[in-house]
Amino acid sequence: GAGVSQSPSNKVTEKGKDVELRCDPISGHTALYWYRQSLGQGLEFLIYFQGNSAPDKSGLPSDRFSAERTGGSVSTLTIQRTQQEDSAVYLCASSPGLAEYNEQFFGPGTRLTVL
Amino acid sequence: RKEVEQDPGPFNVPEGATVAFNCTYSNSASQSFFWYRQDCRKEPKLLMSVYSSGNEDGRFTAQLNRASQYISLLIRDSKLSDSATYLCVVFPNSNSGYALNFGKGTSLLVTP
Repeated sequence: GAGVSQSPSNKVTEKGKDVELRCDPISGHTALYWYRQSLGQGLEFLIYFQGNSAPDKSGLPSDRFSAERTGGSVSTLTIQRTQQEDSAVYLCASSPGLAEYNEQFFGPGTRLTVL
Repeated sequence: RKEVEQDPGPFNVPEGATVAFNCTYSNSASQSFFWYRQDCRKEPKLLMSVYSSGNEDGRFTAQLNRASQYISLLIRDSKLSDSATYLCVVFPNSNSGYALNFGKGTSLLVTP
């Protein structure tokens, strides 16, 4: 079956521009997560959704970052006024629900480069 | 102190060798533990969950020591296809939200 998909796969943008990253979770998965992975670093948690609700936004690096999810499905991560330190691979994952034993299935990621 | 720490390696081993990776975590209330595998420029994929009693899946054995806050992964009879980065992953507890804490990973290269 279809896995988690993300678009675009690569995005090159100029400093100061806004970007929007999209995630399509596995059908039926109610939980959705955003992480980012910078070069040589581990995965850094950004935000999770249960349905359309994001109970904890404390992982977002700054107020330039926002995320939403509609219809309990597609999610978008928006970065405003991008900075060079935002360059990273942004990974989305989904799971059947919010439980510690649920495997998180990752998408292929969006590689963001801010020039 | 980072919540999940791993030796970054790289571990270079010949085919057929046995190799072990270790990981420590700082939150004693952590509930669940996993090993994920990440191939170069690919997304992480679950390799196996780690249970208190220890568990085995083919050539892979995972162990958890809650008292020492230590997790291990043993790979026997290494294959070339085992070359990847192995991520130690900890689920803190539901009161801390549902984010997974990832270590930076241990790089393994299996050579002919």
